[in-house]
Amino acid sequence: EIQLVESGGGLVQPGGSLRLSCAASGFSFSTFEMTWVRQAPGKGLEWVSYISSGGSVVYYADSVQGRFTISRDNAKNSLYLQMNSLRAEDTAVYYCARDWNGSGTYYMDYWGQGTLVTVSS
Amino acid sequence: SYVLAQPPSVSVSPGKTARITCEGDSIGIKRVHWYQQRPGQAPVVVVYDDTDRPSGIPERFSGSNSGNTATLTIGRVEAGDEADYYCQVWDSYSDPYWVFGGGTKLTVL
Repeated sequence: EIQLVESGGGLVQPGGSLRLSCAASGFSFSTFEMTWVRQAPGKGLEWVSYISSGGSVVYYADSVQGRFTISRDNAKNSLYLQMNSLRAEDTAVYYCARDWNGSGTYYMDYWGQGTLVTVSS
Repeated sequence: SYVLAQPPSVSVSPGKTARITCEGDSIGIKRVHWYQQRPGQAPVVVVYDDTDRPSGIPERFSGSNSGNTATLTIGRVEAGDEADYYCQVWDSYSDPYWVFGGGTKLTVL
């Protein structure tokens, strides 16, 4: 069974940092591209960041560029999101998701249950 | 950046057909994916590549895409279909590449 389990969320003050983790199991993690997607309370889905299977290619949404860093450890089957200089508008549930690219387009075929990040003083 | 527009809400009676639209400039030339998100749960893909269904998704869920509109159709709607639905495209000419629609709340009357 494919599982993605996020951890590391919590309450942090504005300007603070947090590191999210996503533990993957049930598939060959090192061969799949991965993505972080977030959802602010009562709002829609927002793509945050992407990382290639080997970790050499990364992309970020403009809203987090320069503040967030995506990384992965294929030996540990784990995905990470280092979040610095956090703002109130970063408050959201953060989901890790597996990217599927089978026809020249990407979609997220498996999602974790999410971890809540609250940025507040 | 590429924009996908969805109606905020759609209502349907049980047993009827629901249609949720996703509008975007020439969306017909892109591949559209649809996600269902029940309250308090993570999204689940219900249609990918315009018309394909993952295993385990009922045949009642179908998709189409042409011109400037993609449509998710849910036939014989059940109470359990009540959820938020999001369309998504990947566009290498857009920034960001991954784009979601604003979501549609499906209410089963």
